[in-house]
Amino acid sequence: QKEVEQNSGPLSVPEGAIASLNCTYSDRGSQSFFWYRQYSGKSPELIMFIYSNGDKEDGRFTAQLNKASQYVSLLIRDSQPSDSATYLCAVTLNTGNQFYFGTGTSLTVIP
Amino acid sequence: DAGVIQSPRHEVTEMGQEVTLRCKPISGHNSLFWYRQTMMRGLELLIYFNNNVPIDDSGMPEDRFSAKMPNASFSTLKIQPSEPRDSAVYFCASRPLAGAETQYFGPGTRLLVL
Repeated sequence: QKEVEQNSGPLSVPEGAIASLNCTYSDRGSQSFFWYRQYSGKSPELIMFIYSNGDKEDGRFTAQLNKASQYVSLLIRDSQPSDSATYLCAVTLNTGNQFYFGTGTSLTVIP
Repeated sequence: DAGVIQSPRHEVTEMGQEVTLRCKPISGHNSLFWYRQTMMRGLELLIYFNNNVPIDDSGMPEDRFSAKMPNASFSTLKIQPSEPRDSAVYFCASRPLAGAETQYFGPGTRLLVL
């Protein structure tokens, strides 16, 4: 069974702070890892993807992957109210076609 | 590019009625996915197609659900008969078959079965 677990939150952080979102996965065959952002009433949109252990930075966003511990995290620096959304973690196996999503973490950035 | 197009955007129907959801993927994309999203279960993959061929439909809840992709530019998801527990947001997504990091989601269809 391929499970992706996320803390549902809600997570609240003040504007300008670092928001830390975590995700664990059960299948050691997972190869690719994704973070999606979903605003209320909208569809998911990709923020970042990561394949290798370590950190990957893109602007204010940093994805961190630890395959040995089977977790992937997303850090959002200098959080803005516009970052308030639900963040979905997703993984794919080596076939790459099927995306397995977590249930998402709701983030609120307080001005 | 118009992105993934879904119709209808909202559907309200009564239990027992047939519901048909439609999706037009991004031109040139070879893979198409149907998802269902609820508060309790999150985003669940129902079925996906590669080059119009269904590859894995293990996520389809039961025989009341069926999906087709008659050509590269059109897919349908049908529920017959519908039940209140089918109420959810149904997303269609597409992506190029090879080497793509992500899939692109349509705006979704909000289905309410009374």
